[in-house]
Amino acid sequence: NAGVTQTPKFQVLKTGQSMTLQCAQDMNHEYMSWYRQDPGMGLRLIHYSVGAGITDQGEVPNGYNVSRSTTEDFPLRLLSAAPSQTSVYFCASSTFRVSEQYFGPGTRLTVT
Amino acid sequence: QQQVKQSPQSLIVQKGGISIINCAYENTAFDYFPWYQQFPGKGPALLIAIRPDVSEKKEGRFTISFNKSAKQFSLHIMDSQPGDSATYFCAALSNYQLIWGAGTKLIIKP
Repeated sequence: NAGVTQTPKFQVLKTGQSMTLQCAQDMNHEYMSWYRQDPGMGLRLIHYSVGAGITDQGEVPNGYNVSRSTTEDFPLRLLSAAPSQTSVYFCASSTFRVSEQYFGPGTRLTVT
Repeated sequence: QQQVKQSPQSLIVQKGGISIINCAYENTAFDYFPWYQQFPGKGPALLIAIRPDVSEKKEGRFTISFNKSAKQFSLHIMDSQPGDSATYFCAALSNYQLIWGAGTKLIIKP
């Protein structure tokens, strides 16, 4: 099992550009989530999904879109990148024991 | 507004000592309290978790103590080892959402 995979590992964007961060899991987990991690602030939930076709907003959803067309994939789209979106982004998955999430290796995004 | 407050921000402990990290919360709707460990350049990994109807849970050298009336919980690492040097996060779960503390950077000195 590859677990949770994320691509790319690093990305630099210019303000106003859009892009998609990819996330996939091969554990047949129902629950998937996206977090951003900023220094001194812990992780903050952006969006989550409890199954294919079902998504919901977390604490900090503005500027991000998600979709869940399959159980395996949960891409995160930045619509118009802003410097405030410079962060490390983590994707995670779990069964419905949501407290026990498995994390990917992260994507370090810089917006200039 | 931070719903889960974690302290200290950083902690240095001698090898063999006890490391203690504390968290406090306000929302009584939280129904599960995990602790995660994160090494540099990696994603967090679940360490141990507790339900609010349990006052203590122990797994090896790691123990969670939970005080429901005070809305506080803590992680104790016994016989701390240099390999325990990492950032530790407490979190609280409600309605499919994990809310995280700000993290504690733990350094174990040999």
